[in-house]
Amino acid sequence: KNQVEQSPQSLIILEGKNCTLQCNYTVSPFSNLRWYKQDTGRGPVSLTIMTFSENTKSNGRYTATLDADTKQSSLHITASQLSDSASYICVVTGNSGGGADGLTFGKGTHLIIQP
Amino acid sequence: DAGVIQSPRHEVTEMGQEVTLRCKPISGHNSLFWYRQTMMRGLELLIYFNNNVPIDDSGMPEDRFSAKMPNASFSTLKIQPSEPRDSAVYFCASSLFGRNSNNEQFFGPGTRLTVL
Repeated sequence: KNQVEQSPQSLIILEGKNCTLQCNYTVSPFSNLRWYKQDTGRGPVSLTIMTFSENTKSNGRYTATLDADTKQSSLHITASQLSDSASYICVVTGNSGGGADGLTFGKGTHLIIQP
Repeated sequence: DAGVIQSPRHEVTEMGQEVTLRCKPISGHNSLFWYRQTMMRGLELLIYFNNNVPIDDSGMPEDRFSAKMPNASFSTLKIQPSEPRDSAVYFCASSLFGRNSNNEQFFGPGTRLTVL
C-alpha cells in the first residue's frame, strides 16, 4: 500500500533557528514529490517539486532534498521567520500520468515559530 | 486570475440538512479535485474530475455525498443528509493535467463545515 509518513507531527522552534522536516514514502512507481505549505485557514500552496533525478532544490529559505533510493525527502528551513508557522504537507505522485489516483498525501508537520 | 474560488467560506447547519459546497476552478484548468481535511485524517481526496468527467470517486465516504461538474467553470459537492461527523474543511483544487504538466494543484481557501 502506498504511504507517506511525515515527522515530526509538530515542532516548535525559536525565530531565527533552522529546522528540518522529514518525509518517508513507500509509493511506487515514483513520479515526483511535492512539498506544500498550508497557512492556518488557507489552502495548501506548493513550495517545491522534485523528480527522480533531482537531489536538491531550493526556494528562498526552503531547501528540499530527495533520496530516491531510500525513499526519503526532507525540507530544511533556514533562519526561520514567524511567517513560516504553518503545516507542511508532503505529497508523492506514484504514476507517470499525474492523475489524482496517483497522489498520496502525508498528514503534515505542524510548525510553530516562537518569537 | 482570482485563483480557485469556493463558497461559502463557512457553513453551520443542523444534522439532517442538505449542504451544497461550490467551486470555481482556475480558468483553463482541466482537472478539479474535492478534498476533506480533518485534524485526525489530514487531507483526503474525495473525488476528482478530468474535463468535467468524474474519474475516481472512491474517496467519497458514502452515498450521502455527491459531486457534479456541469461545465468547466463550476462544480458542487453535496451532502444529504449531513451528519456531525461530516464537520471538516472541504477544499477544492484545480490543475492542468497533461503529459508535460507537473500536476501542481492550486487550492481554494476551503469551506469550513460545522454540522450540529
